[in-house]
Amino acid sequence: DIQMTQSPSSLSASVGDRVTITCRASQSVYNYLNWYQQKPGKAPNLVVYAAATLQSGVPSRFSGSGSGTVFTLTISGLQDEDFATYYCQQSLSIPFTFGPGTKVEVK
Amino acid sequence: QVHLQQGGAGLLKPSDTLSLTCAVSGGSVTAHYWSWIRQPPGKGLEWIGEITHSGGTNYNPSLKSRITISVDASTNRLSLKLNSVTAADTATYYCARRWTTDTPADRFDPWGQGALVTVS
Repeated sequence: DIQMTQSPSSLSASVGDRVTITCRASQSVYNYLNWYQQKPGKAPNLVVYAAATLQSGVPSRFSGSGSGTVFTLTISGLQDEDFATYYCQQSLSIPFTFGPGTKVEVK
Repeated sequence: QVHLQQGGAGLLKPSDTLSLTCAVSGGSVTAHYWSWIRQPPGKGLEWIGEITHSGGTNYNPSLKSRITISVDASTNRLSLKLNSVTAADTATYYCARRWTTDTPADRFDPWGQGALVTVS
């Protein structure tokens, strides 16, 4: 199985901040990498797919980058509605695996 | 636009069989790949398995011996059965459509609202 890790596990930030979350894969996943946002009590929502493609309807302050084994999700200008937990997921091979999550909290 | 509505949550006893359904609207259940994903309370996400548009299945090896995923074209629903549950199977279970394109644009979207299953 491909193991996914994320850093940090949590971070505190203020509205307007630039936030970067890193995801690492145990082997190359090329750009088969997705990012999801999850709010408490809700299902995850797709934010970025194919490492850098913004899902329709997602604000342009979100961006993804990376390839191979290291990926980043950046939120440029954090808004109230962005406080949530973010998960990366590799879609290269079965079993599909997720990172442990990064919780973005209010500072 | 595809929408997923889940049912079947509840309380189970150890050794029971978990049974969940996911009603698909806005699209045909036989036209896409569908996955089940679970999340224990306060923890991360685990992919359980999937059924393809042609009825084939792929399961997580960690659960393979206990899982059955199926679709019912007449009701446009997909189903998950998990045998011999234990407390470790306590989780919120999600259904999700998998966009599979033979490209890196392979992703899960949309997701059902989730169904909490407690084993105690």
